[in-house]
Amino acid sequence: TQLLEQSPQFLSIQEGENLTVYCNSSSVFSSLQWYRQEPGEGPVLLVTVVTGGEVKKLKRLTFQFGDARKDSSLHITAAQTGDTGLYLCAGVSYGQNFVFGPGTRLSVLP
Amino acid sequence: NAGVTQTPKFQVLKTGQSMTLQCAQDMNHNSMYWYRQDPGMGLRLIYYSASEGTTDKGEVPNGYNVSRLNKREFSLRLESAAPSQTSVYFCASSETWESPLHFGNGTRLTVT
Repeated sequence: TQLLEQSPQFLSIQEGENLTVYCNSSSVFSSLQWYRQEPGEGPVLLVTVVTGGEVKKLKRLTFQFGDARKDSSLHITAAQTGDTGLYLCAGVSYGQNFVFGPGTRLSVLP
Repeated sequence: NAGVTQTPKFQVLKTGQSMTLQCAQDMNHNSMYWYRQDPGMGLRLIYYSASEGTTDKGEVPNGYNVSRLNKREFSLRLESAAPSQTSVYFCASSETWESPLHFGNGTRLTVT
């Protein structure tokens, strides 16, 4: 059974601070996705990473896929209150369904 | 463009009652999924339908049944609800098995 772990589980920071959250597994994935979920809504895709070592930027968010395609990180620069939410990583392997991590709940305080 | 629509948004059941959760997508996606989300456990796959006419069990199928009514609609049925099925249920769709998932806004179910 493939498992994805995310750390930290909870994170509370002040507006303007930087932060990094991690997504780790012992399994190799063909691609990995990051989603953000706000209260009362479904998860919304932020990015998909496919190639080992790949780095993608989405405004203040930087996503990296590990060289071995087993882990990923999400770095947020100068966090804003609008970044508050649950961040989920999800990995998929050939012929398998998506596996989701438990999520990192981020709270950005004004 | 509605995306993925789930009904109802909230439901309270007594143990032993049955109900069907409805899901429809308007993106012409081939694959559809039902997940449950519980605190600290992420999203767990209940059932999925890779294409119209097929359904398969996911990680936690016990106590549930599904129907892929047509390409647009995928329903989830609880035949005899149990308190352990108290959860938030999400329907999702994707173009292919590895394409990004598009989620509905969920059904919050409480079984007493």
